[in-house]
Amino acid sequence: QTVVTQEPSFSVSPGGTVTLTCGLTSVSVSTSNYPSWYQQTPGQAPRPLIYSTNIRSSGVPDRFSGSIVGDKAALTLAGAQADDESDYYCVLYMGGGIWLFGGGTKLTVL
Amino acid sequence: QLQLQESGPGLVKPSETLSLTCTVSGGSISSSSYYWGWVRQSPGKGLEWIGNIYDSGSTYYNPSLKSRVTISIDTSKKQFSLILSSVTAADTAIYYCARTYYFYSYMDVWGKGTTVTVSS
Repeated sequence: QTVVTQEPSFSVSPGGTVTLTCGLTSVSVSTSNYPSWYQQTPGQAPRPLIYSTNIRSSGVPDRFSGSIVGDKAALTLAGAQADDESDYYCVLYMGGGIWLFGGGTKLTVL
Repeated sequence: QLQLQESGPGLVKPSETLSLTCTVSGGSISSSSYYWGWVRQSPGKGLEWIGNIYDSGSTYYNPSLKSRVTISIDTSKKQFSLILSSVTAADTAIYYCARTYYFYSYMDVWGKGTTVTVSS
């Protein structure tokens, strides 16, 4: 069974840079998986950040960027701010009309 | 601006059927550019994709839920619906409806979510 993997947690200092990753068990993530990233704060619906690997959703600051790094999709946050402290989820398109979410990364800014 | 609003019972008994509706406002539900679907989040857990429907009626489901899930669409009412049968406590979750942009395969508009508890 294919699983989408993410770091369970990550910590970054204010003003620092952090890269979160999104992988697949046994195969590489590619642009054909159309990686997308979502930010979720407690009690809120997910907010789209990045789609199709590296396209920022409307209103998302350019501190957020997406890429493929090695065999994984990556979300990089540069110049972290306190209100970036959230859960971050990646989603991969697996083909055949099927999408899979990663388990999410809890990002702490301290 | 297109908005999505979930509605349905907040409490369902074990072994019964969960039924939710998502109403689309501020835009069209009849577009070949989008799928309409459902995502859920169990308490304290991550997000889980449940399934999508195209305006043509074509459906796509998470293989782990496929045997219990039905998604339907009523374009005249601008609504799409989720039915999940034989529920257990494990189906207790916040259920979100979401629009998926076909070309880029991402969920660009989300409802606020509705909490469903499975309990006797």
